[in-house]
Amino acid sequence: DIVLTQSPGTLSLSPGERGTLSCRASQSLGSTYLAWYQQKPGQAPRLLIYGASSRATGVPDRFSGSGSGTDFTLTISRLEPEDFAVYYCQHYGGSPEWTFGQGTKVELK
Amino acid sequence: QVQLVESGGGLVKPGGSLRLSCVASGFTFSDNYMGWIRQAPGKGLEWVSYISTDTKYTNHADSVQGRFTISRDNAKNSLFLQMTSLRAEDTAVYYCARESTWAFDIWGQGTMVTVSS
Repeated sequence: DIVLTQSPGTLSLSPGERGTLSCRASQSLGSTYLAWYQQKPGQAPRLLIYGASSRATGVPDRFSGSGSGTDFTLTISRLEPEDFAVYYCQHYGGSPEWTFGQGTKVELK
Repeated sequence: QVQLVESGGGLVKPGGSLRLSCVASGFTFSDNYMGWIRQAPGKGLEWVSYISTDTKYTNHADSVQGRFTISRDNAKNSLFLQMTSLRAEDTAVYYCARESTWAFDIWGQGTMVTVSS
């Protein structure tokens, strides 16, 4: 089974700074099947990125996804106050089944 | 507006059963694969179950295989999760979600299931 490991566990940043979140897979993935979500306290997750680099409907362009193989990145170019949240990567593994990373918390520095 | 609304959560004793429901609106439910994802208190996300548009294909995570059953009624725009032999580790918020391009693009607000004596 594929394991997704996200790093860092917590990222402390200030508004306006750039955030770089990593998702590493235990084996090579098809980038088509890699997604990123944002979750704020008490809310359901929100899809940000699918297919490793395509933004979901309504997602601001300060969010971008990249990567291939085993290493994927979510970048927030300039943090806005509403971006402080937990971010999860997710992989579709056929069967069908889905696997999530353990999450990265982006907190206010 | 596109929406998913779950219901049916609650407190149940270990070994008990519960049936979750999810009603869809604002999109053509019968055209979309659907899934259930859960989140234990203070923990991350765990995919639970999947169902195809015509109910021909379903799949469940190993952790619930043989205990949970996903189903749908396209005429009623509804998704269900029948949960039996519940355990303490099944305690979580359960979300229904619409699958699109191998991700989940629409999520409900979640329904809490607590398994405790």
